[in-house]
Amino acid sequence: AQSVTQPDIHITVSEGASLELRCNYSYGATPYLFWYVQSPGQGLQLLLKYFSGDTLVQGIKGFEAEFKRSQSSFNLRKPSVHWSDAAEYFCAVGPASGGSYIPTFGRGTSLIVHP
Amino acid sequence: DTGVSQNPRHKITKRGQNVTFRCDPISEHNRLYWYRQTLGQGPEFLTYFQNEAQLEKSRLLSDRFSAERPKGSFSTLEIQRTEQGDSAMYLCASSGQGSFGNTIYFGEGSWLTVV
Repeated sequence: AQSVTQPDIHITVSEGASLELRCNYSYGATPYLFWYVQSPGQGLQLLLKYFSGDTLVQGIKGFEAEFKRSQSSFNLRKPSVHWSDAAEYFCAVGPASGGSYIPTFGRGTSLIVHP
Repeated sequence: DTGVSQNPRHKITKRGQNVTFRCDPISEHNRLYWYRQTLGQGPEFLTYFQNEAQLEKSRLLSDRFSAERPKGSFSTLEIQRTEQGDSAMYLCASSGQGSFGNTIYFGEGSWLTVV
């Protein structure tokens, strides 16, 4: 069964500092990987996704993520955080063509941005 | 741009009452998902439709929960005899087919408070 681990429940950074949110997955085949962001009381918005090809993917709002198969990781990065980036971030694995179509989410990392 | 639409956005109900949520997916998306999210947790899968067929149900979906997707368009999620533990945000999502159709797009969610 697929699973996602986000080891950090909370991350606090200062505005303008760089950010890295960790995500590790367990999946029996080449995964489809996603990062979503959720503002309080809202649904989830897709930041970026990895299906195949270049392991460094660019997303919206200046975010990027790197797929590392050897480490089973898909960490999210941003070089300079803005106060508006404060939100909950979720990593997800799947759905995959030919397999389960049900994506599995991590428990999320809450990003706190200090001025 | 018509994304995934959910209503009502908020529902407060007394314990023991029935509630129904509606989801209108992105037009022509054949896959529809229901997730539940509680505070501090990631979305948890409830059920999945491909067109009008309900293909997967989570063990979280007790017999008080029923979901339908008549004609493969909108979907409803009904909770009968609500309990306080049902208080959560219910998220609907949809996706299409094809290699880039496996991304799922979420609605804004429907908040349920059982008092």
